[in-house]
Amino acid sequence: AQSVTQLGSHVSVSEGALVLLRCNYSSSVPPYLFWYVQYPNQGLQLLLKYTSAATLVKGINGFEAEFKKSETSFHLTKPSAHMSDAAEYFCAVSAYNQGGKLIFGQGTELSVKP
Amino acid sequence: DADVTQTPRNRITKTGKRIMLECSQTKGHDRMYWYRQDPGLGLRLIYYSFDVKDINKGEISDGYSVSRQAQAKFSLSLESAIPNQTALYFCATSDWGDSNQPQHFGDGTRLSIL
Repeated sequence: AQSVTQLGSHVSVSEGALVLLRCNYSSSVPPYLFWYVQYPNQGLQLLLKYTSAATLVKGINGFEAEFKKSETSFHLTKPSAHMSDAAEYFCAVSAYNQGGKLIFGQGTELSVKP
Repeated sequence: DADVTQTPRNRITKTGKRIMLECSQTKGHDRMYWYRQDPGLGLRLIYYSFDVKDINKGEISDGYSVSRQAQAKFSLSLESAIPNQTALYFCATSDWGDSNQPQHFGDGTRLSIL
């Protein structure tokens, strides 16, 4: 069975500060991992994905995430927060034998203070 | 035009009514999914379909049914709506292949059941 835990339902940072959103997963088989972003009144958009190539994955809008197998983590970071980064972020896991089904974490709402 | 279109965007209805949510896509993807989003719970899979003749139950299918009318259309029905089905519903699509294919989401249907 697979599961995803996002630590912190709300994270608040100042504009220009480091963004760190935490994601830990559980999977009995090698996982595929995704980060999605949801802006108000919109659907989810893919930020980045890990598919067993490089462990450091770069995504859109300056975000990146690092896959750490020993820690079963896939934390999302951005060096300098922008006001436009305020949104809800979801971590999700899939596996090669799951036919593309995603298991989502609970979500983390990111607020950016001026 | 959006690649994944959901109708209606908002719906308010009464307990016991039958409701259909519709999803259409222009991406040419074989796989389609229905999720519901509840605060603090992330997204949970209701049903998914890998092609027109393949329908599968997800994590929370009780009280829901689906119809895959064509490759591009996937509808979700609530036969007799109840208040705890009040949620934000998303349709998503993905391409055929391994489970590392990202999913593409519609903008959601906000459903309120009184």
